[in-house]
Amino acid sequence: DTGVSQDPRHKITKRGQNVTFRCDPISEHNRLYWYRQTLGQGPEFLTYFQNEAQLEKSRLLSDRFSAERPKGSFSTLEIQRTEQGDSAMYLCASSREGTSGKETQYFGPGTRLLVL
Amino acid sequence: AQTVTQSQPEMSVQEAETVTLSCTYDTSESDYYLFWYKQPPSRQMILVIRQEAYKQQNATENRFSVNFQKAAKSFSLKISDSQLGDAAMYFCAYRSLPSGNQFYFGTGTSLTVIP
Repeated sequence: DTGVSQDPRHKITKRGQNVTFRCDPISEHNRLYWYRQTLGQGPEFLTYFQNEAQLEKSRLLSDRFSAERPKGSFSTLEIQRTEQGDSAMYLCASSREGTSGKETQYFGPGTRLLVL
Repeated sequence: AQTVTQSQPEMSVQEAETVTLSCTYDTSESDYYLFWYKQPPSRQMILVIRQEAYKQQNATENRFSVNFQKAAKSFSLKISDSQLGDAAMYFCAYRSLPSGNQFYFGTGTSLTVIP
C-alpha cells in the first residue's frame, strides 16, 4: 500500500493556459474523489468516480473543468482557460466501497495550483 | 446542501492536557456519517475518527473521542493527553448516505500544542 499519489505537487501557470493534474489511487480502491481546497477553507467536493464512471459532479465544477478515469485506475483533472480564481490546492482521495458508507477516504498530498 | 460549521478557527492546548473541538452541522436527513480529519502542516489529510448517525454510542479511538448529540446536530472531538504530534488543522466532515457520496467539510480548526 503506497498511498494516494498526485502529480505534480506544484503548478504555476499563466491565466488562460490549460493544466492537467494526475491522481494515482491506492490500487484496490474503486472510488476516487477530487476536491478543491482554498486557503482557510475545508475541502470542497468537485467530482467522484466509481471505477471508470463519473457518478457525481458538484455545481462548483464549471465547464472548464473535466475529469476522467479511463480505466478505473488513475484519474486526471483538467482545467481549461485557467483563471486566477482557480488558484487552490486540488486534493484527490480514494476509497474502497464499503457497506453502508463505512468506507474510509485516503487523501493524496494535493497539487497546489497558482494562476498568475 | 448540508453545511458543516466549525466556529473555532484556532485552539491551543498544553501538552498532556485535554482539548475539545466543536462542530455543528445542518441536515434534514436521519442517516449519515460524521468524520474528523486531521491535516498536519504540509502533510496529507488522515481520518481521525468516524461516527455513524444511527449509533447512540460515541466513537472512541485511543486518545480521541467524540460527543455526538444528534438532536442538537453537534459533533465535538475530544483529544486527551495532547501530544506535540497532535498539532494540525482538524476538519469536521459530513457524509450523506441517501444523497450520494458527497462529503461536506467544515472550515477547520487549527490546533496548537504548547510544550
